[in-house]
Amino acid sequence: ETGVTQSPTHLIKTRGQQVTLRCSSQSGHNTVSWYQQALGQGPQFIFQYYREEENGRGNFPPRFSGLQFPNYSSELNVNALELDDSALYLCASSLGGEGSYEQYFGPGTRLTVT
Amino acid sequence: GDSVTQMEGPVTLSEEAFLTINCTYTATGYPSLFWYVQYPGEGLQLLLKATKADDKGSNKGFEATYRKETTSFHLEKGSVQVSDSAVYFCALMGNTDKLIFGTGTRLQVFP
Repeated sequence: ETGVTQSPTHLIKTRGQQVTLRCSSQSGHNTVSWYQQALGQGPQFIFQYYREEENGRGNFPPRFSGLQFPNYSSELNVNALELDDSALYLCASSLGGEGSYEQYFGPGTRLTVT
Repeated sequence: GDSVTQMEGPVTLSEEAFLTINCTYTATGYPSLFWYVQYPGEGLQLLLKATKADDKGSNKGFEATYRKETTSFHLEKGSVQVSDSAVYFCALMGNTDKLIFGTGTRLQVFP
């Protein structure tokens, strides 16, 4: 069974640029959730995708957007990067719609905005 | 809205000491409760969970009991090891499928 993978591991961008982060879900999972973890804080929910549709969104502006593909992998896109976007971005996969509560996290992508 | 409050760290212990990390929550309905652990430079790993009142989650010597009357889910371990040094996050999942996390508690265990 393949776990959750994320790419890239680290990324450095300049303020105003755009970035795309990628996540491959665990085999058999159809739901991907994205979280932002600022330094020294707990993860904050960005949004969730279930079977290619957005299924809930946290308190993040529209410049945070996402996609889920037919193989259930997912992308997080952030436009017009700001310094406060510097964080660890975590992706978690789960088997939604089946009453499962467990989300399995990837290792994260460390984004630094300068 | 739903929220989780954890004791602030760092918690510093000697090896083989008893560990308690307090966690309380606010939620409507009957959330599921979780403890996740984050080792340096890594993502989150699910440590244990409980889905209803009075359930006890346990794993790797860690335990936590879902106490609805006190809205708590305290993490305990009878004898910590240096390898337990990490950041521990308490989290809940309510009616939606999103996790709501506390701010985390750093545990440092010294030999």
